[in-house]
Amino acid sequence: EPEVTQTPSHQVTQMGQEVILRCVPISNHLYFYWYRQILGQKVEFLVSFYNNEISEKSEIFDDQFSVERPDGSNFTLKIRSTKLEDSAMYFCASSERAANLGQYFGPGTRLTVT
Amino acid sequence: AQSVTQLGSHVSVSEGALVLLRCNYSSSVPPYLFWYVQYPNQGLQLLLKYTTGATLVKGINGFEAEFKKSETSFHLTKPSAHMSDAAEYFCAVSRIQGAQKLVFGQGTRLTINP
Repeated sequence: EPEVTQTPSHQVTQMGQEVILRCVPISNHLYFYWYRQILGQKVEFLVSFYNNEISEKSEIFDDQFSVERPDGSNFTLKIRSTKLEDSAMYFCASSERAANLGQYFGPGTRLTVT
Repeated sequence: AQSVTQLGSHVSVSEGALVLLRCNYSSSVPPYLFWYVQYPNQGLQLLLKYTTGATLVKGINGFEAEFKKSETSFHLTKPSAHMSDAAEYFCAVSRIQGAQKLVFGQGTRLTINP
């Protein structure tokens, strides 16, 4: 069964460094998303991406964040200058047509900022 | 704005007993509703969804949920719990059109006692 994959599974970085989290969505999916879950808190929406542009972003998704689909398979989340409070599990998701059909999540990348 | 409240951050049942996980939502527009399950160290797996039509929806692993508009609820049930059901369960809501991000509840950790 097709699945969303994410790399790395765990990333440790120092405050102020740039990180890129990578995702390979399911191949025939058209909508892509990033969510994050700070330890002990809710899963929060960050950004959605469709047709090579951001379709919606949350207040969390400020200028430090960016997303890109550099080729036909990868979908990346970049954090330009990490802060301690960026430590979280980051989930990539994709959906075939729209969210109402269900989004399929990857296993997540645990980002630890020291 | 949409929001989800899951009553009970921890639910514990005996193996073979009924599982009932509660979810109430708030939405100014007709919602689509989802339940996701997260096993330890894994991503979120779609359990079931309500979009339109029959209000009782069946999902994987013997789970089902009923959409009750009058009660703004979407409770998850399973007649007989199995040890393998131990996991974290998340209820989520999205709008039908427009922004289709998922808004999650805080999650309910289900423990199964032998």
